Amino acid sequence: DAKTTQPNSMESNEEEPVHLPCNHSTISGTDYIHWYRQLPSQGPEYVIHGLTSNVNNRMASLAIAEDRKSSTLILHRATLRDAAVYYCILRPPGTAGNKLTFGGGTRVLVKP
Amino acid sequence: EAQVTQNPRYLITVTGKKLTVTCSQNMNHEYMSWYRQDPGLGLRQIYYSMNVEVTDKGDVPEGYKVSRKEKRNFPLILESPSPNQTSLYFCASRALARSYNEQFFGPGTRLTVL
Repeated sequence: DAKTTQPNSMESNEEEPVHLPCNHSTISGTDYIHWYRQLPSQGPEYVIHGLTSNVNNRMASLAIAEDRKSSTLILHRATLRDAAVYYCILRPPGTAGNKLTFGGGTRVLVKP
Repeated sequence: EAQVTQNPRYLITVTGKKLTVTCSQNMNHEYMSWYRQDPGLGLRQIYYSMNVEVTDKGDVPEGYKVSRKEKRNFPLILESPSPNQTSLYFCASRALARSYNEQFFGPGTRLTVL
C-alpha cells in the first residue's frame, strides 16, 4: 500500500486557519486522497476526499499538488471542536479501497 | 439519522468468557467491517463483509469471529477473549456503489479483558 507521512502534531489558535500537510510520494495514478478525523472518544469521521483537483466542502478544503505527491487539508477557521487527530489516507479504486489504512495522523490542538 | 451503532460501549470481562459486540447500520450499506485501535498501532482491520453471508479476514483476525446474516447487522464475536484483545473497537460501513464513498464509523466499544 502507498504510504502517507504527516506531522505528529500541530497547534492553532481559535478562528485561525490550519494547514495540515500530507506527503504521499508513492501514490499511484488511481489512488484517491481521503481525509478522516477522529474527535476525542469518537470514531473516525470522513472529512473530504479528492483525486486531482482541489476540493471544498462545508468542513474543509483539500489542496492537491499538481504531481499528486502531496496534499494539504485546510481548516479555514479552526474552532475548539476541530481539535482531533486528522488522518490522510490513500484509497485505491475498487474493492482494494474498502480497507482504510490509518497511519499515525496529525493531532491538532486548538487554543482559545 | 444515518448512523452506525455499537453495543455495548464499554465492557469489562474476564479471560475465556465469550462475548459479542453488536454493530448495526441504518443506511442499507453493503460493506461493513471491524477495526481495533491500539496506542501506537493505529486502526487495524479485523474482519470485513461485502454483503450478506460474505465475510473475509482483515489484517488481524485471530481470536475473532463475525457473521453477516442480515444486511444491517455485523456482530463481532470473541469466543475466548484474552487480555491481548483489550482494545478500542470500531465498526464501519459504506455503500459499494462508488470507489470513493466514505466510510461511516460507530462510536466505538472499549473492551477490557482481565
